[in-house]
Amino acid sequence: KAGVTQTPRYLIKTRGQQVTLSCSPISGHRSVSWYQQTPGQGLQFLFEYFSETQRNKGNFPGRFSGRQFSNSRSEMNVSTLELGDSALYLCASSLVGPGGNEQFFGPGTRLTVL
Amino acid sequence: AQSVTQLDSQVPVFEEAPVELRCNYSSSVSVYLFWYVQYPNQGLQLLLKYLSGSTLVKGINGFEAEFNKSQTSFHLRKPSVHISDTAEYFCAVSLQGAQKLVFGQGTRLTINP
Repeated sequence: KAGVTQTPRYLIKTRGQQVTLSCSPISGHRSVSWYQQTPGQGLQFLFEYFSETQRNKGNFPGRFSGRQFSNSRSEMNVSTLELGDSALYLCASSLVGPGGNEQFFGPGTRLTVL
Repeated sequence: AQSVTQLDSQVPVFEEAPVELRCNYSSSVSVYLFWYVQYPNQGLQLLLKYLSGSTLVKGINGFEAEFNKSQTSFHLRKPSVHISDTAEYFCAVSLQGAQKLVFGQGTRLTINP
Protein backbone atom coordinates (compact mmCIF):
# COMPACT_ATOMS: atom_id res chain seq x y z
CA LYS A 1 0.00 0.00 0.00
CA ALA A 2 1.41 3.38 -0.98
CA GLY A 3 2.25 5.79 1.81
CA VAL A 4 1.26 9.41 2.25
CA THR A 5 2.54 11.51 -0.61
CA GLN A 6 3.13 15.24 -0.58
CA THR A 7 3.83 17.51 -3.50
CA PRO A 8 5.94 19.39 -4.16
CA ARG A 9 8.80 18.29 -1.91
CA TYR A 10 10.57 21.63 -2.10
CA LEU A 11 9.29 25.10 -2.82
CA ILE A 12 10.84 28.55 -2.90
CA LYS A 13 8.62 31.62 -2.81
CA THR A 14 9.02 35.32 -2.07
CA ARG A 15 7.26 37.39 0.54
CA GLY A 16 3.72 38.34 -0.36
CA GLN A 17 3.13 35.41 -2.68
CA GLN A 18 0.76 32.57 -1.97
CA VAL A 19 1.39 28.84 -2.07
CA THR A 20 -0.63 25.63 -2.29
CA LEU A 21 0.63 22.33 -0.94
CA SER A 22 -0.93 18.98 -1.74
CA CYS A 23 -1.32 15.77 0.25
CA SER A 24 -2.59 12.37 -0.88
CA PRO A 25 -3.45 10.12 2.06
CA ILE A 26 -3.10 6.37 2.28
CA SER A 27 -5.94 4.65 0.48
CA GLY A 28 -8.91 4.24 2.83
CA HIS A 29 -7.78 6.93 5.25
CA ARG A 30 -10.36 9.67 5.61
CA SER A 31 -8.70 11.91 8.19
CA VAL A 32 -5.93 14.25 7.08
CA SER A 33 -4.01 16.53 9.41
CA TRP A 34 -1.40 19.19 8.69
CA TYR A 35 1.53 20.22 10.87
CA GLN A 36 4.18 22.92 10.60
CA GLN A 37 7.71 22.11 11.76
CA THR A 38 10.25 24.87 12.45
CA PRO A 39 13.48 24.87 14.48
CA GLY A 40 12.09 27.51 16.84
CA GLN A 41 8.50 26.41 17.38
CA GLY A 42 8.86 22.68 16.76
CA LEU A 43 5.90 20.70 15.49
CA GLN A 44 2.61 22.57 15.58
CA PHE A 45 -0.84 21.40 14.54
CA LEU A 46 -2.45 23.41 11.76
CA PHE A 47 -5.77 21.68 11.08
CA GLU A 48 -7.52 18.36 10.53
CA TYR A 49 -9.99 17.44 7.82
CA PHE A 50 -12.43 14.57 7.77
CA SER A 51 -15.05 13.95 5.09
CA GLU A 52 -14.32 17.32 3.49
CA THR A 53 -14.96 19.19 6.77
CA GLN A 54 -12.47 20.91 9.00
CA ARG A 55 -12.81 19.10 12.29
CA ASN A 56 -10.11 20.83 14.33
CA LYS A 57 -7.94 23.89 13.93
CA GLY A 58 -4.70 25.03 15.52
CA ASN A 59 -3.69 28.52 16.53
CA PHE A 60 -2.56 29.94 13.19
CA PRO A 61 -3.65 33.13 11.43
CA GLY A 62 -6.33 33.09 8.76
CA ARG A 63 -3.66 33.21 6.04
CA PHE A 64 -3.42 29.47 6.56
CA SER A 65 -6.32 27.55 5.10
CA GLY A 66 -7.05 24.11 3.80
CA ARG A 67 -9.59 21.90 2.18
CA GLN A 68 -10.29 18.26 1.54
CA PHE A 69 -11.76 16.69 -1.56
CA SER A 70 -14.20 13.81 -1.87
CA ASN A 71 -11.32 11.39 -2.54
CA SER A 72 -9.75 12.49 0.80
CA ARG A 73 -6.88 14.31 -0.89
CA SER A 74 -6.14 17.56 0.87
CA GLU A 75 -4.55 20.88 0.06
CA MET A 76 -3.35 23.66 2.29
CA ASN A 77 -2.89 27.23 1.17
CA VAL A 78 -0.83 30.02 2.68
CA SER A 79 -1.52 33.51 1.39
CA THR A 80 0.62 36.63 1.73
CA LEU A 81 3.70 34.66 2.66
CA GLU A 82 5.99 35.94 5.41
CA LEU A 83 9.60 35.01 6.11
CA GLY A 84 8.45 33.18 9.24
CA ASP A 85 6.36 30.79 7.15
CA SER A 86 9.54 29.04 6.05
CA ALA A 87 9.11 25.55 7.46
CA LEU A 88 8.63 21.88 6.78
CA TYR A 89 4.92 21.21 6.30
CA LEU A 90 3.90 17.70 7.18
CA CYS A 91 0.70 15.95 6.27
CA ALA A 92 -0.58 12.92 8.14
CA SER A 93 -3.45 10.55 7.43
CA SER A 94 -5.27 8.10 9.65
CA LEU A 95 -8.22 5.77 9.76
CA VAL A 96 -11.40 6.95 11.37
CA GLY A 97 -11.96 5.47 14.78
CA PRO A 98 -12.36 6.22 18.46
CA GLY A 99 -9.05 7.99 18.57
CA GLY A 100 -5.54 6.89 19.27
CA ASN A 101 -5.18 5.77 15.68
CA GLU A 102 -1.71 5.89 14.24
CA GLN A 103 -1.12 8.90 12.06
CA PHE A 104 1.00 8.11 9.03
CA PHE A 105 3.17 11.03 8.01
CA GLY A 106 4.32 12.03 4.57
CA PRO A 107 7.89 13.21 3.86
CA GLY A 108 6.83 16.83 4.00
CA THR A 109 7.08 19.90 1.79
CA ARG A 110 9.95 22.20 2.62
CA LEU A 111 8.88 25.78 1.98
CA THR A 112 11.45 28.54 1.85
CA VAL A 113 10.23 32.14 1.79
CA LEU A 114 12.75 34.72 0.57
CA ALA B 1 -4.86 22.39 27.27
CA GLN B 2 -2.26 19.71 26.93
CA SER B 3 1.50 20.21 26.89
CA VAL B 4 4.54 17.98 26.52
CA THR B 5 8.04 18.54 27.86
CA GLN B 6 11.00 16.58 26.63
CA LEU B 7 13.63 17.09 29.26
CA ASP B 8 16.69 16.65 27.06
CA SER B 9 17.22 18.40 23.74
CA GLN B 10 20.23 16.25 22.92
CA VAL B 11 21.36 12.83 24.17
CA PRO B 12 24.74 11.42 23.09
CA VAL B 13 25.40 7.75 23.82
CA PHE B 14 27.86 5.10 22.73
CA GLU B 15 26.81 2.27 20.47
CA GLU B 16 25.38 -0.75 22.35
CA ALA B 17 24.78 1.35 25.48
CA PRO B 18 21.29 1.73 26.96
CA VAL B 19 19.37 4.96 26.51
CA GLU B 20 16.40 6.69 28.11
CA LEU B 21 14.64 9.68 26.54
CA ARG B 22 12.48 11.51 29.01
CA CYS B 23 8.99 12.89 28.44
CA ASN B 24 6.57 14.57 30.83
CA TYR B 25 3.09 15.71 29.93
CA SER B 26 0.43 17.93 31.40
CA SER B 27 -3.30 17.44 30.95
CA SER B 28 -6.41 17.78 33.08
CA VAL B 29 -8.09 14.91 31.22
CA SER B 30 -7.01 11.48 30.05
CA VAL B 31 -4.82 11.43 26.99
CA TYR B 32 -3.23 9.03 24.59
CA LEU B 33 0.60 9.06 24.46
CA PHE B 34 2.91 8.49 21.52
CA TRP B 35 6.58 8.40 20.58
CA TYR B 36 7.56 9.23 17.01
CA VAL B 37 10.98 9.13 15.33
CA GLN B 38 12.16 11.39 12.53
CA TYR B 39 15.17 10.46 10.42
CA PRO B 40 16.92 13.19 8.41
CA ASN B 41 14.84 14.55 5.53
CA GLN B 42 11.93 12.27 6.31
CA GLY B 43 8.51 12.47 7.92
CA LEU B 44 7.66 11.02 11.32
CA GLN B 45 7.28 7.33 12.03
CA LEU B 46 5.37 5.91 15.00
CA LEU B 47 7.54 3.97 17.46
CA LEU B 48 4.85 3.10 19.98
CA LYS B 49 1.68 4.33 21.66
CA TYR B 50 -0.13 4.05 24.96
CA LEU B 51 -3.91 4.06 24.88
CA SER B 52 -4.83 2.05 27.98
CA GLY B 53 -4.01 -1.19 29.77
CA SER B 54 -0.50 -2.31 30.57
CA THR B 55 1.73 0.63 31.44
CA LEU B 56 4.74 -0.94 29.69
CA VAL B 57 4.43 -0.55 25.96
CA LYS B 58 6.70 -2.26 23.44
CA GLY B 59 7.30 -0.72 20.05
CA ILE B 60 9.31 -1.19 16.91
CA ASN B 61 13.10 -1.40 16.65
CA GLY B 62 13.48 -2.66 20.24
CA PHE B 63 12.09 0.46 21.90
CA GLU B 64 9.75 0.43 24.87
CA ALA B 65 8.11 3.06 27.06
CA GLU B 66 6.53 3.12 30.47
CA PHE B 67 3.46 5.18 31.31
CA ASN B 68 3.53 6.58 34.84
CA LYS B 69 0.28 8.35 35.66
CA SER B 70 1.34 9.66 39.08
CA GLN B 71 4.46 11.27 37.63
CA THR B 72 2.75 12.16 34.32
CA SER B 73 5.69 10.66 32.46
CA PHE B 74 6.16 8.48 29.41
CA HIS B 75 9.88 7.79 29.11
CA LEU B 76 11.30 5.93 26.11
CA ARG B 77 13.99 3.28 26.59
CA LYS B 78 16.18 0.96 24.56
CA PRO B 79 18.58 -1.49 26.21
CA SER B 80 21.21 -1.36 23.45
CA VAL B 81 21.36 1.29 20.73
CA HIS B 82 22.75 1.07 17.21
CA ILE B 83 24.20 3.66 14.89
CA SER B 84 20.99 3.45 12.89
CA ASP B 85 19.02 4.83 15.87
CA THR B 86 20.54 8.25 15.28
CA ALA B 87 17.50 10.46 14.75
CA GLU B 88 15.20 12.95 16.43
CA TYR B 89 12.56 11.56 18.76
CA PHE B 90 9.27 13.24 19.57
CA CYS B 91 6.87 12.57 22.40
CA ALA B 92 3.25 13.53 21.73
CA VAL B 93 -0.18 13.46 23.34
CA SER B 94 -3.70 13.58 22.01
CA LEU B 95 -7.07 13.84 23.64
CA GLN B 96 -9.03 10.62 23.58
CA GLY B 97 -11.19 10.68 20.48
CA ALA B 98 -9.18 13.38 18.71
CA GLN B 99 -6.54 13.24 16.00
CA LYS B 100 -4.70 16.43 16.96
CA LEU B 101 -1.23 15.68 18.31
CA VAL B 102 0.60 18.00 20.68
CA PHE B 103 4.33 17.43 20.40
CA GLY B 104 7.29 18.00 22.65
CA GLN B 105 10.29 19.91 21.33
CA GLY B 106 12.14 16.74 20.38
CA THR B 107 15.29 14.96 21.57
CA ARG B 108 18.18 14.48 19.18
CA LEU B 109 19.76 11.09 19.82
CA THR B 110 23.36 10.78 18.63
CA ILE B 111 25.08 7.41 18.68
CA ASN B 112 28.87 7.41 18.87
CA PRO B 113 30.84 4.36 17.74
